[in-house]
Amino acid sequence: AQSVTQLGSHVSVSEGALVLLRCNYSSSVPPYLFWYVQYPNQGLQLLLKYTSAATLVKGINDFEAEFKKSETSFHLTKPSAHMSDAAEYFCAVSSGGGAQKLVFGQGTRLTINP
Amino acid sequence: KAGVTQTPRYLIKTRGQQVTLSCSPISGHRSVSWYQQTPGQGLQFLFEYFSETQRNKGNFPGRFSGRQFSNSRSEMNVSTLELGDSALYLCASSSTGAPNEKLFFGSGTQLSVL
Repeated sequence: AQSVTQLGSHVSVSEGALVLLRCNYSSSVPPYLFWYVQYPNQGLQLLLKYTSAATLVKGINDFEAEFKKSETSFHLTKPSAHMSDAAEYFCAVSSGGGAQKLVFGQGTRLTINP
Repeated sequence: KAGVTQTPRYLIKTRGQQVTLSCSPISGHRSVSWYQQTPGQGLQFLFEYFSETQRNKGNFPGRFSGRQFSNSRSEMNVSTLELGDSALYLCASSSTGAPNEKLFFGSGTQLSVL
């Protein structure tokens, strides 16, 4: 069975500071990994995904994540936080097989301090 | 291109009633999946449909059901509503529903059961 653990339900950083959101996964098969963002009263939007092509994945809005198999991690980073980054972030894993079934982490709420 | 459209945006029902939620995927997308989002349980997969067939199902009771029409629009139904069914129900679409595909989410239907 697959699972995702996001360390820290709330993360607060200052505007301009580094953003680091942690995600560890468990999967019995090579995983596909995703980071989604949810703004208030909206659905989820894909930030980036790992599909085994490259371990360092670049996404939208200067976010990136690095897949580390030895650590079973897929942490999300952004060099410089903007106020508009305030949202909830979800890490998710999907296994192979014929159809997509995402298993999500519990989410991390990111607050940006001016 | 229009995004994923979910109707209605808000619903209030009482225990024991049934409810039907609707989802129109992005034009050309054939896979539609449904997720339940609650503060306690987070995001949980309900089911996924492709070409009018349910391909995958999450761990929810039989009161939760769905269907997909020939135009890829999907509905989900919850019968005999319980207080615990109060949640944001999110619909997502993708081209084929492959495990590594990006999901496009709607803004959700917020269901409140009184």
